[in-house]
Amino acid sequence: NAGVTQTPKFQVLKTGQSMTLQCAQDMNHEYMSWYRQDPGMGLRLIHYSVGAGITDQGEVPNGYNVSRSTTEDFPLRLLSAAPSQTSVYFCASLALEGRLFFGEGSRLTVL
Amino acid sequence: TQLLEQSPQFLSIQEGENLTVYCNSSSVFSSLQWYRQEPGEGPVLLVTVVTGGEVKKLKRLTFQFGDARKDSSLHITAAQPGDTGLYLCAGLNYGGSQGNLIFGKGTKLSVKP
Repeated sequence: NAGVTQTPKFQVLKTGQSMTLQCAQDMNHEYMSWYRQDPGMGLRLIHYSVGAGITDQGEVPNGYNVSRSTTEDFPLRLLSAAPSQTSVYFCASLALEGRLFFGEGSRLTVL
Repeated sequence: TQLLEQSPQFLSIQEGENLTVYCNSSSVFSSLQWYRQEPGEGPVLLVTVVTGGEVKKLKRLTFQFGDARKDSSLHITAAQPGDTGLYLCAGLNYGGSQGNLIFGKGTKLSVKP
């Protein structure tokens, strides 16, 4: 029972590089989301999706793109990485009872 | 912007002590959740409280939702080293998308043997 799987766990980028954080869930959840977690800032919602083909912005969407072509996958793209995007990123999916299942996180450093 | 204020931000106690963590807001939430996060892992749900005044118990952990649905508390009795972690409260707005939780900044608990 994999739950929510994120890759990679660690990544170092140079300013201006692009990359995609992958997220997959095997629980057939419709709702998926991406959060970033920074010291002293808590978890902040970046983007979310209520189902395949539907995405929307959260609290801090700038600099990030998402797509939802399947129920299982919800990748997060950084088109031109900036040092301010250094953070730990969490993908989550929502069960019917309202419980969020989180992945183990992806630690990104932008130099 | 709705905010959830958690206090204290840090807490270091000895095994066997009791503690209370608070989560306060000026806004009303339809429900409130508590998560625990251990280093290198994602948050894991402990409890959801829905009704104003509701009290839920999970072994040595007692969760309460305020009567006005603006605040919540987590009380741990006889803390153990295994309780060490980051405790996060998260509120769900009325009318908001079911998964769009607003998180507090967390309380980092360290329980020393």
